Amino acid sequence: AQRVTQPEKLLSVFKGAPVELKCNYSYSGSPELFWYVQYSRQRLQLLLRHISRESIKGFTADLNKGETSFHLKKPFAQEEDSAMYYCALSPQGGSEKLVFGKGTKLTVNP
Amino acid sequence: DTEVTQTPKHLVMGMTNKKSLKCEQHMGHRAMYWYKQKAKKPPELMFVYSYEKLSINESVPSRFSPECPNSSLLNLHLHALQPEDSALYLCASSQRVPNEQFFGPGTRLTVL
Repeated sequence: AQRVTQPEKLLSVFKGAPVELKCNYSYSGSPELFWYVQYSRQRLQLLLRHISRESIKGFTADLNKGETSFHLKKPFAQEEDSAMYYCALSPQGGSEKLVFGKGTKLTVNP
Repeated sequence: DTEVTQTPKHLVMGMTNKKSLKCEQHMGHRAMYWYKQKAKKPPELMFVYSYEKLSINESVPSRFSPECPNSSLLNLHLHALQPEDSALYLCASSQRVPNEQFFGPGTRLTVL
C-alpha cells in the first residue's frame, strides 16, 4: 500500500529564514512524487514534481530513494509562501491515482 | 483554456433533495477526478474516469453517482445526502503520464 507522511501539521518561520517541509513515503516501486500548494481562498495547484527537477518560486525538492523522502526546501521564506502544502505520490506505471499526505500549514511571519 | 471550471460555487441542499455538481475542462485531458475535501484535511479521492469510463471508485456510497457525458464534462449527481457529506468537492483532470492533476476551485456543499 502507498502512504505519504508529512510529520509536521504546522510550521512557522520568520521571513528570510530557510524552510523545509518534510515528506516521507512508503511504496515498493518507483513512484512519482509531487508537491501541491493551496493558498488561502485559491485552488489546489501543482508546485513541483520530482521528474522535472525544476525550481518554482524558489522551492526545490529532491527525491531521496534511500530515505524514501521528498522534502521541500526554500532558502529564504517569503510571507506570500504562507499556505497549505501537500506532498503526493502517484504509483508507477501511469496510474491515475494520487495519494496525498495530510498536509503542512506553513506560516511565514514578518 | 487551461483551467478546470466547476459549478456551482456553493450549494445548500436538504437531505431529500437531488442536485448535481458539474465540472468542465478543455485541455484535452483524458482523466477526470472527483475528490472530497473536509476542512483542514487533504483531498480524498472518490472517482476517476479514464477515457470517459469509470476506472476507480473508492467505495463511495451510492448516494453519490458520477457521470462522464463526454471527454470534457464530469458530473456528480447527489441524492439523499447526509449532513456529514458537507464538504468541498473538487474536480481535477490530468494527462496519462505524468500524473500532474489540474484542480478546479471546488463546490462548497452544505447538507442540512
